[in-house]
Order: sequence, then C-alpha cells, then structure tokens
Amino acid sequence: QSVLTQPPSVSGAPGQRVTISCSGSSSNIGAGYDVHWYQQLPGTAPKLLIYGDSSRPSGVPDRFSGSKSGTSASLAITELQADDEADYYCQSYDSSLSAWVFGGGTKLTVL
Amino acid sequence: QVQLVESGGGVVQPGRSLRLSCAASGFTFTNYGIHWVRQAPGKGLEWVAGISNDGTNQNYADAVRGRFTISRDNSKNTLYLQMNSLRAEDTAVYYCAKDWGAGYGGNPFDYWGQGTLVTVSS
Repeated sequence: QSVLTQPPSVSGAPGQRVTISCSGSSSNIGAGYDVHWYQQLPGTAPKLLIYGDSSRPSGVPDRFSGSKSGTSASLAITELQADDEADYYCQSYDSSLSAWVFGGGTKLTVL
Repeated sequence: QVQLVESGGGVVQPGRSLRLSCAASGFTFTNYGIHWVRQAPGKGLEWVAGISNDGTNQNYADAVRGRFTISRDNSKNTLYLQMNSLRAEDTAVYYCAKDWGAGYGGNPFDYWGQGTLVTVSS
C-alpha cells in the first residue's frame, strides 16, 4: 500500500487529453511538500517529468503539466502520442515518515 | 553530462550481504544529496535511502532501516549501499538517483542511473 495513491491505469486515444491523480495526506502533499512526477518508459530508468508541482525540466514538452490542490495533485497530458505510453509516478516527502514517498504508479495506454 | 553508474548487483542467498556502488560524474558531487530507489520485478518505485551532500545526514525507509547502510566517498565521487540480512523481498533493480539539492527533504531526483539487479534467492 503506497502512501500516495494513483489509479493503476489510464488510457486515451492519440490526440486526446488524460489526467493522472495522486492523492496524499496532511503529512505529505497537504503539508505543503512539493509533488514531482516521473515517466518510466518500458525497460528504462525513470525520468523527471514535472518538479515543484508544476514546473517542467528543460526538454519536457508543454503537453505535460502538473497541478496541486489540498492533499492531491494531478498530471495532465494533452495531445497524446504513442510514445507517451509509459508508467507515471508521483513523488513527495512525508514528514511523519521522514521519507521520500512514491505513488504506486499509473500505466498509460495509448489506444 | 551527468552520469550515474551502478554496480555490485547479483544473486545472493537470504541472510547474506551485498554492497552496491554508484559512480557519479558530470557534476560537483559534493554539492548534492544522493538516493537509492528500488523497483521489484513488475512493481512500482520504492525509495530506500538517502544521504546529504556532506554525508552527515542519512535517512532510511522503514523496510530497510537497521539492515542497510548508505554512505558516500566524496573523494571518489561514489555512493554506496551496504545491504545486510538480505531477504527475498529485497529482490529488485536498485537505482541511484541524484537529488536536486543537498539532500534534505522535498527535492526531486533529477538524474537516475540505469540500475543494478539484486536477486535474493536460495
């Protein structure tokens, strides 16, 4: 059971928009700790996709965006492409655990 | 460019020990915290341990506290993970990941190695 809760899977057709939710609690997201998102393509290491709730590292397309409200955060992907098919993970810090925590991951399927 | 290269993985029997290494290059190693993150086969990411830039602060996940020790040699730009009393549930790919900052809570991990597989089996 992960500290941060994500849906196991989402899907969408090419060109469509999908969102992935990440639900936490008052000791992590709700405490004001930043939420970060990672993309893991099949057989590769994770890659930082969104940091500080909504900022994109250099090179990440603006089709990817992040937001946070209360104890939850979301990742939105617009104009879906076939190579967006991957696992996506949210991450934050938990003050009760004194630990970095990840969501369980969401598998995105592009139909 | 930033590179993180893990080594030391392999097959080990339950109860035995293993030490992983992560060689870093392409950035000023002494300025950044570093973490170990693992991924069991077919499962999600799990943070294992982290160490601050100067090595004075270490944090561990409950699942490994007391069995694993994270350390760093800033003169060799290398991170280590000493894993003792290994269990079957420690079987995973172990990644080292660079902290965005000095390694104190909340920063993202901006670069990752390719990982090293640890299999705990009799």
